[in-house]
Amino acid sequence: NAGVMQNPRHLVRRRGQEARLRCSPMKGHSHVYWYRQLPEEGLKFMVYLQKENIIDESGMPKERFSAEFPKEGPSILRIQQVVRGDSAAYFCASSPLKTGGADTQYFGPGTRLTVL
Amino acid sequence: AQSVTQLDSQVPVFEEAPVELRCNYSSSVSVYLFWYVQYPNQGLQLLLKYLSGSTLVESINGFEAEFNKSQTSFHLRKPSVHISDTAEYFCAVSDNQGGKLIFGQGTELSVKP
Repeated sequence: NAGVMQNPRHLVRRRGQEARLRCSPMKGHSHVYWYRQLPEEGLKFMVYLQKENIIDESGMPKERFSAEFPKEGPSILRIQQVVRGDSAAYFCASSPLKTGGADTQYFGPGTRLTVL
Repeated sequence: AQSVTQLDSQVPVFEEAPVELRCNYSSSVSVYLFWYVQYPNQGLQLLLKYLSGSTLVESINGFEAEFNKSQTSFHLRKPSVHISDTAEYFCAVSDNQGGKLIFGQGTELSVKP
């Protein structure tokens, strides 16, 4: 059973460009979470999605950031018009969360975004 | 709102010494507690978790953590560390509805020979 997959592992963008980060959850998992890790900081929650639905986006910046988890294909975190402050490691996690109660989140290896 | 505080940003220890990484949380509801480990340039791996039941939980590689509700703590311990335990350790909390994890700032454990 393959783990959570993220690509690309490293992404370099110039200011003003768009960044697209992809996450394929573990087989059988229908819940996806995105976290951001800024240098020298812990992970901060960004968004929680189920198939075709955004459940909690309380950690998403109001502008330039969007996320989706379509019925088919990976989850996408999209950052428009990137700025240097977007440079960070972006981690995706998935879980088979059943109704009620917490379940373990399994993390991918992350995408390290560098904005020049 | 929930929060997690890891009191030590760096913990240097010698090999085979005991170690304790401290974690305190704040929450107005029942919580689930987790410790994750992150090796350099890698993602997070679950080390152990407390959901309910016995307050002492153990991992397969010798770590243990004890949930203390009165002190709102979930400290991580290992009686004898190895060089390979060098990594960053994150404590996290989730409410009983599941969903997002709230992480502490992380503790960098450095094991020296």
